[in-house]
Amino acid sequence: EPEVTQTPSHQVTQMGQEVILRCVPISNHLYFYWYRQILGQKVEFLVSFYNNEISEKSEIFDDQFSVERPDGSNFTLKIRSTKLEDSAMYFCASSERRAAETQYFGPGTRLLVL
Amino acid sequence: GNSVTQMEGPVTLSEEAFLTINCTYTATGYPSLFWYVQYPGEGLQLLLKATKADDKGSNKGFEATYRKETTSFHLEKGSVQVSDSAVYFCALSPIQGAQKLVFGQGTRLTINP
Repeated sequence: EPEVTQTPSHQVTQMGQEVILRCVPISNHLYFYWYRQILGQKVEFLVSFYNNEISEKSEIFDDQFSVERPDGSNFTLKIRSTKLEDSAMYFCASSERRAAETQYFGPGTRLLVL
Repeated sequence: GNSVTQMEGPVTLSEEAFLTINCTYTATGYPSLFWYVQYPGEGLQLLLKATKADDKGSNKGFEATYRKETTSFHLEKGSVQVSDSAVYFCALSPIQGAQKLVFGQGTRLTINP
């Protein structure tokens, strides 16, 4: 069964460093998403991406964040200068069509900023 | 705005007990509603969904009915198993243009043998 994959599973970084989180969505899906979950809190929407551009983003997704689909398979989230409060589990998801359709989630990347 | 409220956890039950996890929502219009489950060490998996009022989603013995009048989507299972131990998330997807899922805070369920 096709699945969304994410790498790395865990990442530890120093405050101020850049990190890139990688995702491989399901191959025939057209919509891609990033969510995050700070420990003990809700899963929060960050950004959605369609047709090689951002279609919606939350207030969390400020200038420190960017997304890219550098080739036909990968979908990346970059944090330019990490802060302590960026420590969270980051989930990638994809869907064949719009969000009313099922979004399929990856296993997540746990990011720890020291 | 759009929001989802779930019952506080953690919830601990014995095997074969009846399960209810409450979920209520606030939304404009008529959203689609979802239950996702997260087993230890894994990502979020769709458990069931309902896209319009009075629809019942069901999967693996779990059920939830979209109740517009009470803005609720409570998750139920008649007889839980140890393997159902996980974190359960209620979520909505606004119909009007937005592509994001709005999640509740999650409910951790532990089933004891």
